[in-house]
Parts: sequence; structure tokens; C-alpha cells
Amino acid sequence: GAGVSQSPSNKVTEKGKDVELRCDPISGHTALYWYRQSLGQGLEFLIYFQGNSAPDKSGLPSDRFSAERTGGSVSTLTIQRTQQEDSAVYLCASSLGTGIEGGYTFGSGTRLTVV
Amino acid sequence: DQQVKQNSPSLSVQEGRISILNCDYTNSMFDYFLWYKKYPAEGPTFLISISSIKDKNEDGRFTVFLNKSAKHLSLHIVPSQPGDSAVYFCAASEGNTPLVFGKGTRLSVIA
Repeated sequence: GAGVSQSPSNKVTEKGKDVELRCDPISGHTALYWYRQSLGQGLEFLIYFQGNSAPDKSGLPSDRFSAERTGGSVSTLTIQRTQQEDSAVYLCASSLGTGIEGGYTFGSGTRLTVV
Repeated sequence: DQQVKQNSPSLSVQEGRISILNCDYTNSMFDYFLWYKKYPAEGPTFLISISSIKDKNEDGRFTVFLNKSAKHLSLHIVPSQPGDSAVYFCAASEGNTPLVFGKGTRLSVIA
């Protein structure tokens, strides 16, 4: 597609349930990133995929969070046993190579609300 | 241990005047800096970047200045337009590591 697509755009879930958030990056982009933005905070790095390399998971806040990227394209971020502090906007981005000079292209995000 | 800091949560400027958004960083190994703009309900969009080997980069109405000794960068928008009203994020990278973002500054350009 023309841009990075994320689904769903909004998700309300009950505390303790699992959720899956999906990201379709720009075709041909080798790198894919997940960030989240909690209320009043900046963008917090979660995980980074680059080609066939092992992902950089250093930003995942707990073992309830995991992500995979299938076939070097679509990515799914899974949050198990959701907690209220998980409420945030989850943003996916992709880039060619490291994306440093041209920046990352972000999707519109998934707003997750845990009630 | 916030590595990228935007100390002004908001800024209000009159249309036609200059907007100056500031950003400080603590990691002297950062070698690339970027500014992003974000409208409500949209993802951030890339605006302008600068390498640590430069001290200025200009693109139309947008100029980014880098002062490495002070670990400070700024984004100048001139002239400011109402459509520039958005949240601006400063971001930095060390090598090929993922970008580290600040908390953002909300710019309001008043007509």
C-alpha cells in the first residue's frame, strides 16, 4: 500500500484479556518498528525488526508483550493479560534500511484502552 | 533517564512570526537528529533531519540548528502558518539504533 496501515484503529478491552495489534508496513521497507505513546508522554520504543536479523526487543516493558513479523512484512504486536497501564496509542513505523536520513513512515496508530 | 528532552510542552506564536522549538539531549553519541510533526489522530510525519557533522539544515520554511557542544538543537519555522499547529517531536539516533523521541511540544499558530 501507499502507507503504513494499522488495525484496529481503536480497541477497548477488559483488563486481563489478550490483544493483538496489526501493522502492514510499506512494501519493500526492510525495517519495522513499534512504539507506544502514553498520555502526556513521548514515543516509547518497544521493538525493532530489520530484515532477517533477530529483532531488537530491548524496549518491551514486560514479558506480557511480544511481537512477530511474518515473511518480512506484516507484524503483530501481542499483549497478554492486559493491564490498565497498557492503555496507550501503539504506533508502527517502517523504513528503508535504517531510515535515519529519510525518517520513518508511521501509521496512524491503534488506540488501546484497557478498562 | 530521558535522553531527549523537550522542556516546553507548548508554544503559542502569531501567524507570520517565527516559531522556535527547542530540544536538549544527554547522549553525546547521538549522531543524527530528526524532527517530526504530529496532527491529532495521525501518526508522526518526518519533517527535517540533521547529521552531527553539520550545524544547520534548511528546507523551505524549516531550519534545524545543532549545537553539539551544548547538546542542543532547535527547529525554526518562519513564517509560521496556522497549518503548522501540531505537536512537534525531536528524535535522535546513535548509529543505526532505533530513534529516541522527546515528549513533544504543542505548537499553536494563532491567525
